[in-house]
This record gives sequence, C-alpha cells and structure tokens, in this order.
Amino acid sequence: AQSVTQPDIHITVSEGASLELRCNYSYGATPYLFWYVQSPGQGLQLLLKYFSGDTLVQGIKGFEAEFKRSQSSFNLRKPSVHWSDAAEYFCAVGAGSGGGADGLTFGKGTHLIIQP
Amino acid sequence: DAMVIQNPRYQVTQFGKPVTLSCSQTLNHNVMYWYQQKSSQAPKLLFHYYDKDFNNEADTPDNFQSRRPNTSFCFLDIRSPGLGDAAMYLCATSWRGSETQYFGPGTRLLVL
Repeated sequence: AQSVTQPDIHITVSEGASLELRCNYSYGATPYLFWYVQSPGQGLQLLLKYFSGDTLVQGIKGFEAEFKRSQSSFNLRKPSVHWSDAAEYFCAVGAGSGGGADGLTFGKGTHLIIQP
Repeated sequence: DAMVIQNPRYQVTQFGKPVTLSCSQTLNHNVMYWYQQKSSQAPKLLFHYYDKDFNNEADTPDNFQSRRPNTSFCFLDIRSPGLGDAAMYLCATSWRGSETQYFGPGTRLLVL
C-alpha cells in the first residue's frame, strides 16, 4: 500500500524568505504525486502535480516541486513567501492503475506560518 | 464556472439521527469521491464512484453509505452518526485517466 510522510508538522517562515516543504512517499510503481493547499475551513486547491517527464514541475502561486526518485521525495518550494501563503499543505500520492483515479493517499500535512 | 459544489457548508445533527450530505458537479467528470477529514488530520478516502460502479474502501464503517443517482450528483449518507463522525467531509471529482482530482469546499459536520 502507498503512504506519504510529511515530516514537518509546523513550519514558520518570515515573509519574503524561501520555503521548502518536505514530502516522502512509498509506492511500488511510478507515483502520481500532488501538492494541495487548504486554507482554514476550506476545501483543497491543487498547487501542482507530477506524473512523468521533467522532474521539476511548476505550479500556481509561484510554487514548484522536484521529484527525486532516488530519494522517494517530492519537495515543494517557493523562492519568496507571502503572508497569504499561510495555510495547510498536503502532499498526496495517487492510488491504483489510474493514477489518482482510485483515490489519493494524503500525508498528514504541514502547517505553514508566515512571520511578518 | 465549472465547479464542485457541496451543500450544506455546515451541518449540525444529533447523535444517532441520519444525515445526508450533498455534492454536485458541473465538470461532467465520471469519478466522484468522498473523503473524511477530522480536525488537524489528513483527508481519508471513504469511497468513490466510477460512473455507477461503487468502490468502498476496506476500512470505511458500514455506517457510511453513498448514492450517485446521476453523473452530476453524489450523496453521503451517515445512518447513525456518532460523536466520532464529526469532521469535514470533502467531495472531489475527476475524469478517469486524467488523475487530477478537483475538490469542493467541504461540509463541516457537527454531531451533538
């Protein structure tokens, strides 16, 4: 069975500083990987996804993520954070032969706090 | 705009009183999912429909049922809610083969 580990429960970053959120996955086949963001009381918004090809993927809101097969990682980065980036961030892996079509397995999330 | 809609956004029910949560979509996607997200936890898949084919996760309690009368609508029925069922319930949709899921805003369920 697949699993996702987000080792950092909370991260605090100063506004304007760079950000990296860690994600490690366990999956027997080629993974379908996703990053979602959730603001308080809201649903999940897709930031970016990786299926194949270029291992550095660009997403919305200036985020990017790099897939590293050798490290089973899919870390999320942003060069300069804004106060509006404060939210919960979830890494997820797609299950089943249809990638995410049979459902996603989520990590426990990383709560991002932005200091002024 | 095409979207995933969940009603109501907040639902209060009594212990043991059946409750139904609603999800509709204008994306015409053939897969619809229900996730349960308890406070400060990751979303957990309960079940999903691929067209009319129902796929239940092995550890989803029997207390949770789902119906999909047509492509656009999917319902989550909780037959006898317990205090432990208080959570945010997220509906998502996808087109099988595209892998990407689109989430609704969620319904927060409170059980008194």
